[in-house]
Amino acid sequence: AQSVTQPDIHITVSEGASLELRCNYSYGATPYLFWYVQSPGQGLQLLLKYFSGDTLVQGIKGFEAEFKRSQSSFNLRKPSVHWSDAAEYFCAVGASSGGYQKVTFGTGTKLQVIP
Amino acid sequence: SAVISQKPSRDICQRGTSLTIQCQVDSQVTMMFWYRQQPGQSLTLIATANQGSEATYESGFVIDKFPISRPNLTFSTLTVSNLSPEDSSIYLCSVVGLAGSGTQYFGPGTRLLVL
Repeated sequence: AQSVTQPDIHITVSEGASLELRCNYSYGATPYLFWYVQSPGQGLQLLLKYFSGDTLVQGIKGFEAEFKRSQSSFNLRKPSVHWSDAAEYFCAVGASSGGYQKVTFGTGTKLQVIP
Repeated sequence: SAVISQKPSRDICQRGTSLTIQCQVDSQVTMMFWYRQQPGQSLTLIATANQGSEATYESGFVIDKFPISRPNLTFSTLTVSNLSPEDSSIYLCSVVGLAGSGTQYFGPGTRLLVL
């Protein structure tokens, strides 16, 4: 069965600083990988996804993520963080199960942005 | 992407009662998913609901506690029965996007507090 590890429970960065959120997955085949963001009191919004092809994927809000098969990682990055980026970020892995993608979520990383 | 609405957006219930959550999608979808997000936790899949068949429940979730209906391709309900304070969570409905994309889109969630 697939699994996802987000080793950082909470991260604090200064506004304008760069950001990297870590994600490691476990899955026997090539996974489908996702990053979602959940703002306080809101539902989940898809930031970006990787299915195949270019290992560097661009998402919304200036985010990007890089799939590294050798490291089983799919880290999320942003060159300059804005105060509005404060939220919780979930990495997820999708795997085929009975004809559909069963998605497993990591435990999330809560991002705090300070002035 | 699909537009998903949920009702109610939040509720406060007494223990021993039940709450039925509605999920409406703006397009026809084969599969709908129900997730639970307990306070400070990640998302846990409760069950997968296909139109015209019984829902498939994940380990730890049973139909008597979480009965699901899926009467058509745009609508589903999740009932949380015999409520206890431990059921206080956010419940999210999700659908898979375009065929083959594997991307899941989420509703805004229903915030349940059980007293």
